[in-house]
Order: sequence, then structure tokens, then C-alpha cells
Amino acid sequence: KAGVTQTPRYLIKTRGQQVTLSCSPISGHRSVSWYQQTPGQGLQFLFEYFSETQRNKGNFPGRFSGRQFSNSRSEMNVSTLELGDSALYLCASSLAASGGQETQYFGPGTRLLVL
Amino acid sequence: GENVEQHPSTLSVQEGDSAVIKCTYSDSASNYFPWYKQELGKRPQLIIDIRSNVGEKKDQRIAVTLNKTAKHFSLHITETQPEDSAVYFCAASRGSSNTGKLIFGQGTTLQVKP
Repeated sequence: KAGVTQTPRYLIKTRGQQVTLSCSPISGHRSVSWYQQTPGQGLQFLFEYFSETQRNKGNFPGRFSGRQFSNSRSEMNVSTLELGDSALYLCASSLAASGGQETQYFGPGTRLLVL
Repeated sequence: GENVEQHPSTLSVQEGDSAVIKCTYSDSASNYFPWYKQELGKRPQLIIDIRSNVGEKKDQRIAVTLNKTAKHFSLHITETQPEDSAVYFCAASRGSSNTGKLIFGQGTTLQVKP
């Protein structure tokens, strides 16, 4: 099976702009989680989508949003970009079939630079 | 709140030695504890995980131990090799109702010297 893919891989934006990142999970996986990775804060949970519904949300401002489509692909959007939003954005997918915790498989990430 | 503390932040060992990384979690409802390895410029990859009904799990040179009473879990790598050099992250999750949410430690940069 193909792994988790993310597009674009690199992105440069300026403050105030908005950005949309895409994540395609492993075929058959129904849950997609998003994480922000920075040198200072490490890996922080943004939100998780399952069956097109946001099931969990981390402690990020409302400028960060997401959605999931019927084919389980997910997008996240960041509006009114700030310099501090520069980070590697990782998505991870899991089967979510058993109701319990399952392995999350990560994509390669989208590196966002805000100037 | 939910928090995972990871120590040490950097670890340097000689090839063939053992390496131990320790994590402490705050949420007593956590019951799933994965470890990820992230090489420079690459995605995090799961190397081993443990669930709260198990105290220890081994996979070749890697082992994880869990002490639920103390809310500690540790990664043990034996006979380290230069290719083990990477950043290692521990994580904790409640599982069930919070299936998709992993709380990560700050990471440990492991350097294995040949």
C-alpha cells in the first residue's frame, strides 16, 4: 500500500495570507490527525478527523481549521498567517477500526515558512 | 492537563552500548504509549508501542517498559549502532474516546559514535 502523502511539501507565504495543506491517508484508513512540529514546541496535536467529523481538537487558535472528505482525504487551513506559524505540519492516518488506539502512520510533512 | 516529559534531551553513546530514554506522563487515563524515531528530514516512524495491560515489550534490540503506578515508561536500545542515531519521541494517548490524539514528549537526540 502507498503510504501517507502530503502536498505541497514546501510552501512560502507572507504574514496575513492563508494556506491550505492536503493529506491523503493510507488506503482504508479512516482517521487523520494533524500535528505541528517546531524546534521549540516539539510535536503538538492540532486536530483529528474521523468519518468527515472533527473528533478531537488541540489547543490552537481558531485560525487553524480542517476538514475531511468522504474518501478520508483531509485538508487543514491556516488563515491570517503569523510568523510563528512557520513549522513542519505533519498528518498521520490510522485504521480506526477497533475503537481503541491504533498505530498512527505519518506523512512526510509540509514545511511552511511564513515571511 | 495532558503533558509528557521526556529525558534526556540529548544522549551520546558509543557503538555497542545501551541507551535508555525515559518519559513521564500526567494523564492517568493514558493507556497507549508509542515510540517514534525521526531521522533528519524524514517523517516520524513507529518503532515500538505498549499498552497499559502490558508491563514490558521487546522487539529485537528495542524494549519498552511501563510503570502505570508511577506513570513512567522507558525505551531501551541495546547494542546500539550508528544507524540508531536519530531523534526519538515518546507519546501517550487515552485510546478509545481519544483515539487520534497523541501527546508527545519533547524528543531525545541520540548520537551513536562509531
